[in-house]
Amino acid sequence: NAGVTQTPKFRILKIGQSMTLQCTQDMNHNYMYWYRQDPGMGLKLIYYSVGAGITDKGEVPNGYNVSRSTTEDFPLRLELAAPSQTSVYFCASSPRQGQTNEKLFFGSGTQLSVL
Amino acid sequence: GNSVTQMEGPVTLSEEAFLTINCTYTATGYPSLFWYVQYPGEGLQLLLKATKADDKGSNKGFEATYRKETTSFHLEKGSVQVSDSAVYFCALSDHYGQNFVFGPGTRLSVLP
Repeated sequence: NAGVTQTPKFRILKIGQSMTLQCTQDMNHNYMYWYRQDPGMGLKLIYYSVGAGITDKGEVPNGYNVSRSTTEDFPLRLELAAPSQTSVYFCASSPRQGQTNEKLFFGSGTQLSVL
Repeated sequence: GNSVTQMEGPVTLSEEAFLTINCTYTATGYPSLFWYVQYPGEGLQLLLKATKADDKGSNKGFEATYRKETTSFHLEKGSVQVSDSAVYFCALSDHYGQNFVFGPGTRLSVLP
């Protein structure tokens, strides 16, 4: 059972470089999310998507972009990496069944350092 | 907006001690409440949840009761084990299950 798969697990970037964090899920979930977790802090929502072709900003979207061309994939793009983007990034997905508030399924995370 | 407040950590206990981690929330409507656990080097995973007032969520010996009158969802376990050492996050989702809000997390260390 693959669930939510994130790649890479670790990455070091130089200031100004760009990269894409990949996220894919095989559970046919409509909802997908990107969070960042700073040391000693909770999770902050970057972007989310309620279905293919639909994305929306979360709490901390600046410096990031996303796309959702398929139900399975939800990549996160950093265009000009900055030290403030050093963090652990988690992708998550959630099913949508009527009005039920379903749980989140998380990937194992990407640890990103910008130096 | 919606928010979640948790007790500050870290919390250090001896094995078989009683655990309480406090969580209170602010939300409009009828949120669902969750406890997630993050073991070292892993992503978060759901520990338990409650979807309406007075519901009790339970799993692996952990329990939490949805108290609407006190807007709380405190996590308890009667006898902790070393394997319970992790970071615990209280969270809520709005009525439509679209937006999740997480607390800052509480690190628990259990000593043998």
